[in-house]
Amino acid sequence: DGGITQSPKYLFRKEGQNVTLSCEQNLNHDAMYWYRQDPGQGLRLIYYSQIVNDFQKGDIAEGYSVSREKKESFPLTVTSAQKNPTAFYLCASSSSNRVGNQPQHFGDGTRLSIL
Amino acid sequence: EDQVTQSPEALRLQEGESSSLNCSYTVSGLRGLFWYRQDPGKGPEFLFTLYSAGEEKEKERLKATLTKKESFLHITAPKPEDSATYLCAVALSGSTLGRLYFGRGTQLTVWP
Repeated sequence: DGGITQSPKYLFRKEGQNVTLSCEQNLNHDAMYWYRQDPGQGLRLIYYSQIVNDFQKGDIAEGYSVSREKKESFPLTVTSAQKNPTAFYLCASSSSNRVGNQPQHFGDGTRLSIL
Repeated sequence: EDQVTQSPEALRLQEGESSSLNCSYTVSGLRGLFWYRQDPGKGPEFLFTLYSAGEEKEKERLKATLTKKESFLHITAPKPEDSATYLCAVALSGSTLGRLYFGRGTQLTVWP
């Protein structure tokens, strides 16, 4: 079945540590996105990529980094500079369409907590 | 300031009691409006896309409608399995193609 796989499902970060969240899709989508979800808040965009080897900052990129070396993969690194990393992280992808926006399809998220 | 506002924040319905959720947006130039369902601990599941005022989409007990400034998600005779958080998102002309702006969601609970 086509879909988006995020791993791990749960992740714990120690003080000063960088951690990487994995996101893989087999939908042949060009665009991929990372969101952060906190209780009572909407999804906030961290980074997005519309094509391989290119990505842009979203609204809350500070303390995060990404890479897009393959179409299928868009890993997110939460660096030690992110002082409040505890959240639910969601990866999404969508096909490109110049006429109108296509829906984004989501993985089942990674819950990150601080030890 | 939120560009997408969903109301109510939470809604409790008895099984079979129909109601509507609201999504309003304050910006002009809508390129598309999307409804999602999210279960606890899961990613959002796509439900509908609406592109122009007057458009309607239906799926089982759910029906989404769109006007120039808001969308409604009507739930007819809900069942307990319809309990979830419903998210609304908009795509705007003038912003990066593919970029969505999400509301904070409506948490729906349907009790037997």
